[in-house]
Amino acid sequence: DAMVIQNPRYQVTQFGKPVTLSCSQTLNHNVMYWYQQKSSQAPKLLFHYYDKDFNNEADTPDNFQSRRPNTSFCFLDIRSPGLGDAAMYLCATSRARLPGPANSPLHFGNGTRLTVT
Amino acid sequence: QQQVKQSPQSLIVQKGGISIINCAYENTAFDYFPWYQQFPGKGPALLIAIRPDVSEKKEGRFTISFNKSAKQFSLHIMDSQPGDSATYFCAASMVTDKLIFGTGTRLQVFP
Repeated sequence: DAMVIQNPRYQVTQFGKPVTLSCSQTLNHNVMYWYQQKSSQAPKLLFHYYDKDFNNEADTPDNFQSRRPNTSFCFLDIRSPGLGDAAMYLCATSRARLPGPANSPLHFGNGTRLTVT
Repeated sequence: QQQVKQSPQSLIVQKGGISIINCAYENTAFDYFPWYQQFPGKGPALLIAIRPDVSEKKEGRFTISFNKSAKQFSLHIMDSQPGDSATYFCAASMVTDKLIFGTGTRLQVFP
């Protein structure tokens, strides 16, 4: 089955220690997104790639970076994790740039839960 | 103007009952309104979506009702089942912009 796979499912890192989360997709979608979801909150968009075109949200801290080496893979790098960065990180894909009506819905992975100690 | 307000925050329904979750928005340029369902430990999954040119869309036990003049839309789950227990997010977007998610509703359906 075509899908969005996130690894690892659970990640523990120390305060200030860089960490990388990975996402892969077999859907061959053009767009890949990274969302941060804190407990009992809505997903918050951090940034997205349309092919190789990187689009950062205005309020995403500089501490968060991303790489997309090819269509299938996308990485989220947190350079110096703080306690406030503990969250579920969700990767999503869509066929086109815009979540347009029924043509390009978001497909989410099951997330990586990040704990910062 | 970019907010989507969702209520209630949590909802407890007996099996067989109707679950109703409401959302309201301000931006009249929004033209796509999906609902996402999220089970614990999983990513959200698209459940059903509507465009503002229709007032209602039904898929099985799930119905979206849309009131353009009131800038409100709601999700109705008929004959609610324990397997429907999840967190539900409404969302909205313009054609040229990202999805704006509501704050979520945790639904618990008891047998």
